[in-house]
Amino acid sequence: EIVMTQSLVTLSVSPGEGATLSCRASQSVSSDLAWYQQKPGQSPRLLIYDTSTRATGIPARFSGSGSAGTEFTLTIDSLQSEDFAVYYCQQYNKWPLTFGGGTKVEI
Amino acid sequence: EVQLVESGGGLVQPGGSLRLSCAASGFTFSSYAMTWVRQAPGKGLEWVSAIIVYGATTYYADSVKGRFTISRDTSKSTVYLEMNSLRAEDTAVYFCANFLQWREYFQDWGQGTLVTVSS
Repeated sequence: EIVMTQSLVTLSVSPGEGATLSCRASQSVSSDLAWYQQKPGQSPRLLIYDTSTRATGIPARFSGSGSAGTEFTLTIDSLQSEDFAVYYCQQYNKWPLTFGGGTKVEI
Repeated sequence: EVQLVESGGGLVQPGGSLRLSCAASGFTFSSYAMTWVRQAPGKGLEWVSAIIVYGATTYYADSVKGRFTISRDTSKSTVYLEMNSLRAEDTAVYFCANFLQWREYFQDWGQGTLVTVSS
């Protein structure tokens, strides 16, 4: 199976600052990469799919990029209070689908 | 408005069985594939199983293969997860989600149902 690695477990950021989260795939997943946001007690929320396409209703301060099918980045510009959460990447290039371990963005 | 409502969770002894249901509304159920994703307490997301539109194709994580069975009833717009030989490590909140075939990312999620495997 494809292993997704989010090496940063916790990222401490001040409101108004930017944040860059990374996700690495153990083999190429092409551009088949999604990002989710999850807050405590809530279901995950789709932010980005196809590496860089924002899902419906997602603010423009969230952006995604990728390189060589294995290195992916989620960038959050000027963090708002509601952005402090856990972020997961997910590959859907091959079954079984796999998630990264998550990065918690905290104040 | 899309709604996915899970039910059937609860406390079960190791080795026991449970069937989860996910009732869907607000979209054309027959046109969407369905999936289950779980989250152990304090842990990350783990994909569990998926069933494609007409139910002919199913997928499972290695951790549940041979023990869990996913199925769907289009007449009831419901997807099920039959869980047998349950283990302590199956303890988690189980979420259902929908997706389009060939687009296996998850826009809509249910609120989850908690399964606790303990004696």
